Amino acid sequence: LAKTTQPISMDSYEGQEVNITCSHNNIATNDYITWYQQFPSQGPRFIIQGYKTKVTNEVASLFIPADRKSSTLSLPRVSLSDTAVYYCLLSTNAGKSTFGDGTTLTVKP
Amino acid sequence: DSGVTQTPKHLITATGQRVTLRCSPRSGDLSVYWYQQSLDQGLQFLIQYYNGEERAKGNILERFSAQQFPDLHSELNLSSLELGDSALYFCASGRIVGDTGELFFGEGSRLTVL
Repeated sequence: LAKTTQPISMDSYEGQEVNITCSHNNIATNDYITWYQQFPSQGPRFIIQGYKTKVTNEVASLFIPADRKSSTLSLPRVSLSDTAVYYCLLSTNAGKSTFGDGTTLTVKP
Repeated sequence: DSGVTQTPKHLITATGQRVTLRCSPRSGDLSVYWYQQSLDQGLQFLIQYYNGEERAKGNILERFSAQQFPDLHSELNLSSLELGDSALYFCASGRIVGDTGELFFGEGSRLTVL
């Protein structure tokens, strides 16, 4: 299975835009890129999913370059409640879901 | 509330024992996934079922087994428990056979093996 690599941690301040990049050099043709958010002792929660180019929803944007070897989750104007672990996940039709190590985002006042 | 129900929320047992974790997926979801999250290994995929049949297998130990019943609920059986099995076990459900869509996670079952 293709592996993902993310920064272990990131710090930001309230109101700033945060960009978290995930590397997936060996991404397969049928892999989708999905991002999840997890608070302590809670199950992960879906943020956004994409295959190529750019996807935007009410909470985030996902940028995927043409070669798909990386992706960037963009969180606009973060707040303290966005402090969490963010996972980049490659999903395939085979059904195996491999989570990366996650990025711990700490938002400071 | 994700709509996925896991029981029990907490479980404390001894080494060598056997436990069963239960998961009820969201209404209409046919796929059920099990994950293990421990402090030193992050979120590990264990196994997936789709409409009663095993679909994919990840890093699941031979001491562990799972099944999905006709009513689509699933159970994860952990036997000959070891200290290292202490972890949060999450169940997730999804609507389609592959996981290219959104997965909905339960609140997890925290297993402590003493």
